[in-house]
Amino acid sequence: EVQLLESGGGLVQPGGSLRLSCAASGFMFSNHAMTWVRQAPGKGLQWVSSVTASGFSTYYADSVKGRFTISRDNSRNTLFLQMNSLRADDTAVYYCAKELAGDPSPFDYWGQGTLVTVSS
Amino acid sequence: SYFLTQAPSVSVAPGQTARITCDGNNIGSKSVHWYQQRPGQAPVLVVYDGRDRPSGIPERFAGSNSGNSATLTISRVEAGDEADYYCQVWDSASDWVFGGGTKVTVL
Repeated sequence: EVQLLESGGGLVQPGGSLRLSCAASGFMFSNHAMTWVRQAPGKGLQWVSSVTASGFSTYYADSVKGRFTISRDNSRNTLFLQMNSLRADDTAVYYCAKELAGDPSPFDYWGQGTLVTVSS
Repeated sequence: SYFLTQAPSVSVAPGQTARITCDGNNIGSKSVHWYQQRPGQAPVLVVYDGRDRPSGIPERFAGSNSGNSATLTISRVEAGDEADYYCQVWDSASDWVFGGGTKVTVL
């Protein structure tokens, strides 16, 4: 059974940093691109960042470019999102998602999400 | 940038058919994916590549795509189909793009 378990969310002040993790199991992690998607309270889905299966290539939404860094550790089946210079509009539930196959491909499994609140 | 437009809400009676549209420039040339998100839950992929369904998704969920509009059709609507539905495409200039979502209410 595929499982994705996010952690690392919480309350942080504007300008602060957080590192999200996503522990994956139930599939060959190193064979799949992975993605972070966020959802602000009461709002829709917003793609944040993706990383290829090897970790060699990364992609970012303009709104987070230069502030967020996606990475992965295929030996530990874990996806990361380092978030720096956080702003109030980064407040959201952050989901990690597995891409189906190939690159790019849709997201066939999602974690339950971790809430990030940026507030003073 | 590429944009996808969805109607904010659709209402449908049980047993009837719900049609959720997603408008985008020449979307018919792209692979469209659809997600269902029930309240308080993570999204679930229900249709991908326009009309394919992941295992476990009922045949009542069907996708189509042509011109400037894609459609997710839910036949024989049930109470459990009440959710937000999002379309998604990949665009070479914008990477992944989601529509704003359509809330389906079962009357």
